[in-house]
Amino acid sequence: EDKVVQSPLSLVVHEGDTVTLNCSYEVTNFRSLLWYKQEKKAPTFLFMLTSSGIEKKSGRLSSILDKKELSSILNITATQTGDSAIYLCARYTGTASKLTFGTGTRLQVTL
Amino acid sequence: KAGVTQTPRYLIKTRGQQVTLSCSPISGHRSVSWYQQTPGQGLQFLFEYFSETQRNKGNFPGRFSGRQFSNSRSEMNVSTLELGDSALYLCASRVVGMAGELFFGEGSRLTVL
Repeated sequence: EDKVVQSPLSLVVHEGDTVTLNCSYEVTNFRSLLWYKQEKKAPTFLFMLTSSGIEKKSGRLSSILDKKELSSILNITATQTGDSAIYLCARYTGTASKLTFGTGTRLQVTL
Repeated sequence: KAGVTQTPRYLIKTRGQQVTLSCSPISGHRSVSWYQQTPGQGLQFLFEYFSETQRNKGNFPGRFSGRQFSNSRSEMNVSTLELGDSALYLCASRVVGMAGELFFGEGSRLTVL
């Protein structure tokens, strides 16, 4: 089955905390793993990771893929209330625009 | 640069009716794909269109169909609506050749009563 599993399903942290979100995937025809942030409706692209293992960074967010463990983590340091969102990871197998999404991690950052 | 535009944003239909949703991609993006998002199943791929041709299709019944016009705008249609079709329908566009990196619209929220 073409599965992507995210954990935890949800978490609540205080502003300033560091969080790590997890995503595991199946290897069949794997090309890349993508992370998206969904605040209200439209998911917005964060990172694309490949088996090269190169870490991607953007401000307080960073992500890396572990091809041995078939997993990826998304780190957010010094969280802010604006980081509150659903974080989605998706697996891309090279078939057109077909991404297989996990069900997401709902992050809530409180003051 | 305008983003992906979807219309209508919200709609309510009754079982058995049909619905048509519209999507205008980002200018220059020729690929348009559609996803269904529900609380239980998450985001699921419906289909993708490029050059007015369906390129790939997800595991949805034939009641779900789509098309793309020469200006890259796309429509999707759901016929004989069922209660389980209630969902957020998201359209995404991409630059052909930029694999996987999709730009999503705000979605059309469909409620079937």
